[in-house]
Amino acid sequence: DIQMTQSPSSLSTSVGDRVTITCRASQNITFYLSWFQQTSGEAPKLLIYAASSLQSGVPSRFRGSGSGTDFTLTISSLQPEDFATYYCLQTYTTPWALGQGTKVEI
Amino acid sequence: DVRLLESGGDLVQPGGSLRLSCAASGFTFSDYAMTWIRQAPGKGLEWVSTLSGSGGAAFYGDSVKGRFTISRDNSMEELYLQMNSLRAEDTAVYYCAKWGISGILVGDYWGRGTLVAVSS
Repeated sequence: DIQMTQSPSSLSTSVGDRVTITCRASQNITFYLSWFQQTSGEAPKLLIYAASSLQSGVPSRFRGSGSGTDFTLTISSLQPEDFATYYCLQTYTTPWALGQGTKVEI
Repeated sequence: DVRLLESGGDLVQPGGSLRLSCAASGFTFSDYAMTWIRQAPGKGLEWVSTLSGSGGAAFYGDSVKGRFTISRDNSMEELYLQMNSLRAEDTAVYYCAKWGISGILVGDYWGRGTLVAVSS
């Protein structure tokens, strides 16, 4: 089974900061990588699919990159509504696997 | 507008059974796979199961394989999760999500979730 390792598990930042979250797959998943944002008590929201494609309606400050085993989610200038937990998900092969999450805190 | 609405969550005793439902609207239901993902209290997201649009191909996470069964009624535009032999560790909010056939555009829409609590 493919394992997804996210880092860091949490980070403290400020409004306006640039934030980078990484996700590493235990084997090659090509571009089958999505990023989700979850705010407290809400359902997850899709941000990025196919490693680097921005989901419709998602602000352009979110950027996904990477392929193979190493992937990155970058938020160029953190906004107050971006304080949340972020998850990566691989859909290259079942069992689909999510990272453990990265909590972005003030 | 795409809408997904889960129901059926409840308090159930260990070893018991429960059936969750997810009512879909706003898209051609049979054209898309559907997925259940859960989140235990204070924990991360865990993929549970995915079912193809036709219902002919089902996939399960290791933790639920042999105990849970995913199914769908395309005429009613509903997704189901039959959960048997429930354990305390199955306690979670269960979300249904629309899932792209190719595995590329997945989880673009989610329901609000339904809470399953397994406890004596």
